[in-house]
Amino acid sequence: EVQLVQSGAEVKKPGESLKISCKGSGYSFTSYWIGWVRQMPGKGLEWMGIIYPGDSDTRYSPSFQGQVTISADKSISTAYLQWSSLKASDTAMYYCARRYCSSTSCWFDPWGQGTLVTVSS
Amino acid sequence: DIQMTQSPSSLSASVGDRVTITCRASQSISSYLNWYQQKPGKAPKLLIYAASSLQSGVPSRFSGSGSGTDFTLTISSLQPEDFATYYCQQSYSTPSTFGQGTRLEIK
Repeated sequence: EVQLVQSGAEVKKPGESLKISCKGSGYSFTSYWIGWVRQMPGKGLEWMGIIYPGDSDTRYSPSFQGQVTISADKSISTAYLQWSSLKASDTAMYYCARRYCSSTSCWFDPWGQGTLVTVSS
Repeated sequence: DIQMTQSPSSLSASVGDRVTITCRASQSISSYLNWYQQKPGKAPKLLIYAASSLQSGVPSRFSGSGSGTDFTLTISSLQPEDFATYYCQQSYSTPSTFGQGTRLEIK
């Protein structure tokens, strides 16, 4: 079974750093892009960026470029999303998902269970 | 970025109803359009990929159509478990973008 398991909920203070994880299993981790999606409380889905664990090629949405860092460690089949200095506005649920492509589209499936990040003083 | 606009933003319907949700792209995206369902407190779930292909395990009452800029998700006969929020997503260009969501509520 293809599965993505994310790290647990985090509560942080503004200005702190954070790295959350997404571990893949049941497939060749280095052969598929992994994406990150933000969902702020009560809001919709926002595409943050994707990484190809095979060579760490990374693409960011302009909205998130410079605000977060996406990385991966293929030796342990894990992708990461990190912040160097959190803001209250980073409070959200963060999902990772595997990107699968055919000749006619690319889509996210499956998704991780989500990691809730709360930033509050 | 390509903008995705869903309509309606919310919809009230009854069990057994036929429901259609529309997604419009700000430029042509061929068939690079996917649909997801999200229930409260859960991760999104893929329903339809490449505009009209039904994901394995998804009930056949769900269907998708369209190409270019205009797309639809249709639920032929609403079931109680279908009340959720639905999102479209374009994967034609980076960054990929989602519609704002359509909340489907019980009438």
